[in-house]
Amino acid sequence: DAGVIQSPRHEVTEMGQEVTLRCKPISGHNSLFWYRQTMMRGLELLIYFNNNVPIDDSGMPEDRFSAKMPNASFSTLKIQPSEPRDSAVYFCASSSRGSVSYEQYFGPGTRLTVT
Amino acid sequence: DQQVKQNSPSLSVQEGRISILNCDYTNSMFDYFLWYKKYPAEGPTFLISISSIKDKNEDGRFTVFLNKSAKHLSLHIVPSQPGDSAVYFCAASRNNDMRFGAGTRLTVKP
Repeated sequence: DAGVIQSPRHEVTEMGQEVTLRCKPISGHNSLFWYRQTMMRGLELLIYFNNNVPIDDSGMPEDRFSAKMPNASFSTLKIQPSEPRDSAVYFCASSSRGSVSYEQYFGPGTRLTVT
Repeated sequence: DQQVKQNSPSLSVQEGRISILNCDYTNSMFDYFLWYKKYPAEGPTFLISISSIKDKNEDGRFTVFLNKSAKHLSLHIVPSQPGDSAVYFCAASRNNDMRFGAGTRLTVKP
């Protein structure tokens, strides 16, 4: 199994531009999670899906952030417009346990730099 | 608010000795606890977990201890190996809420 796949691995963009991060979960996993890691706030859960349905998006910082999961094998996290404070590493994770509470399998992350 | 705290940002241990990583939490409602290991440029990897109904869980060289009264958990690695050098995150969860600590960087010296 290839594990959780994220693209791109690195993204550098200018303030105001739209950024789209992509994730392919492990086949057969029915839960998908988006996290953001920063030096100041550590690892934070942004949103998670069960069976392609968003369950909890209370961690999404503001309306500039949106996430979709059109099918079981693909999810996107979009930032529009991007700001320098969005610079962070964004991780996608998946799980077969149907809950955020249990072990998750993380992708390698996307390092986003907004200048 | 930081509900899960790892107060030691780094730890250095000699190969073959025991590594003890500590984690404290403030919310007594957490009922499941996990440890993840992270290498540079990779995502966190699940290591071991423990339910709040237990006080110890062992998997090979890794043992997690939970002290509910003290709201404290620890990860013991025995014996430590250079390949264990990584950042270790503890996490605590309840229902649909998962919180991570800031991580402890473990260095195992040969």
